[in-house]
Amino acid sequence: QSALTQPPSASGSPGQSVTISCTGTSSDVGGYNYVSWYQQHPGKAPKLMIYEVSKRPSGVPDRFSGSKSGNTASLTVSGLQAEDEADYYCNSYAGSNNVFGTGTKVTVL
Amino acid sequence: EVQLVESGGGLVQPGGSLRLSCATSGFIFSTGWMSWVRQAPGKGLEWVANIKEDGSVKNHVDSVKGRFTISRDNAKNSLYLQMNSLRAEDTAVYYCVRGGTNFAQWGQGTLVTVSS
Repeated sequence: QSALTQPPSASGSPGQSVTISCTGTSSDVGGYNYVSWYQQHPGKAPKLMIYEVSKRPSGVPDRFSGSKSGNTASLTVSGLQAEDEADYYCNSYAGSNNVFGTGTKVTVL
Repeated sequence: EVQLVESGGGLVQPGGSLRLSCATSGFIFSTGWMSWVRQAPGKGLEWVANIKEDGSVKNHVDSVKGRFTISRDNAKNSLYLQMNSLRAEDTAVYYCVRGGTNFAQWGQGTLVTVSS
């Protein structure tokens, strides 16, 4: 049950796009289409942004999109806005368990 | 409006016990999985446990197996986490979460501090 691997940081200017990777194994990310992504602002609870690889909950802007290839999932934030600056975590089902990623801090320059 | 309100956190000595509770409203509690997720100070998220809607299936992360137990009371719309043999590394904010794999809604969290 090792944590999924994410880059510690990512950044972009307003209006640009940023993509965050989430690398696991065939026992988690690669084995199931149950990858989700969470946004967390300082001092706040996480918020679901993407579920089942690429689905967006109601109310989440379509600037957020998800995909998966093999053992790596990705979250892309297009048209970066100041309020997108936050920590982002991926999560994957891993056969009766769940495992989170190490987290990525997104900075809007 | 969905609400998840945790309680029961606090300061406890190593080896001690605590029982966290989560009172829910705004959705049909008895029809879905529920989970606990924790976050140590300044660290990332860690899934702790989940439980099926009828309580018949429970899963726990390896690091808490044999020490923590998740449970629920559908009549009271409440989720629980019994934590025994607490260790310093269990110090974290514990979140009550709606969902077993897709964590749709989160409570505000309750802080558990394990220290002598």
